[in-house]
Amino acid sequence: KAGVTQTPRYLIKTRGQQVTLSCSPISGHRSVSWYQQTPGQGLQFLFEYFSETQRNKGNFPGRFSGRQFSNSRSEMNVSTLELGDSALYLCASSLALGLAGMIHEQFFGPGTRLTVL
Amino acid sequence: KQEVTQIPAALSVPEGENLVLNCSFTDSAIYNLQWFRQDPGKGLTSLLLIQSSQREQTSGRLNASLDKSSGRSTLYIAASQPGDSATYLCAVRGRDDKIIFGKGTRLHILP
Repeated sequence: KAGVTQTPRYLIKTRGQQVTLSCSPISGHRSVSWYQQTPGQGLQFLFEYFSETQRNKGNFPGRFSGRQFSNSRSEMNVSTLELGDSALYLCASSLALGLAGMIHEQFFGPGTRLTVL
Repeated sequence: KQEVTQIPAALSVPEGENLVLNCSFTDSAIYNLQWFRQDPGKGLTSLLLIQSSQREQTSGRLNASLDKSSGRSTLYIAASQPGDSATYLCAVRGRDDKIIFGKGTRLHILP
């Protein structure tokens, strides 16, 4: 069974540009979460999608947005990039989300390393 | 507001030793706690997931315990090997469905 895949793996952008990252979950998984990882802040939760609906959102500015498609694939977008957005962006998928008694473990992709110059 | 702390931030132990990694959280109203390992520049690998109703989970040389009342979890690694060298992260899913990660413990097993 294929794991979580993320594309692209590496990305270099300049300040002010926008970027779109893609995540394909494990087949059958309906929940996708996004995280930002930096040396200073560690892993921080961005948002979580389930069945094309954003179920949860972390404390990030509106420049960070995402969506999920009917096949559970997800994209996140960052507009007007800032130097501080340089980070490893991780996507995780799980079978279900928040259903009573069915809190499933998350499986992570390899991440997209974004560098903003 | 949930806070997750992992102490120590870094740990070096000789190969073969048993060791314990600690994770503490401030709000005991959680759905579950998950332990991960992360190798440099890589994504996270799930190690163990403990539901709020459980006290411990075991997988091979790993054993994770959960004490919600005291807001603590431990990851026990038996007979450590150089391949265990990585950063170990714990993550708590709260009743608000938000997932909070600790900053991790960087483990180095000395051959």
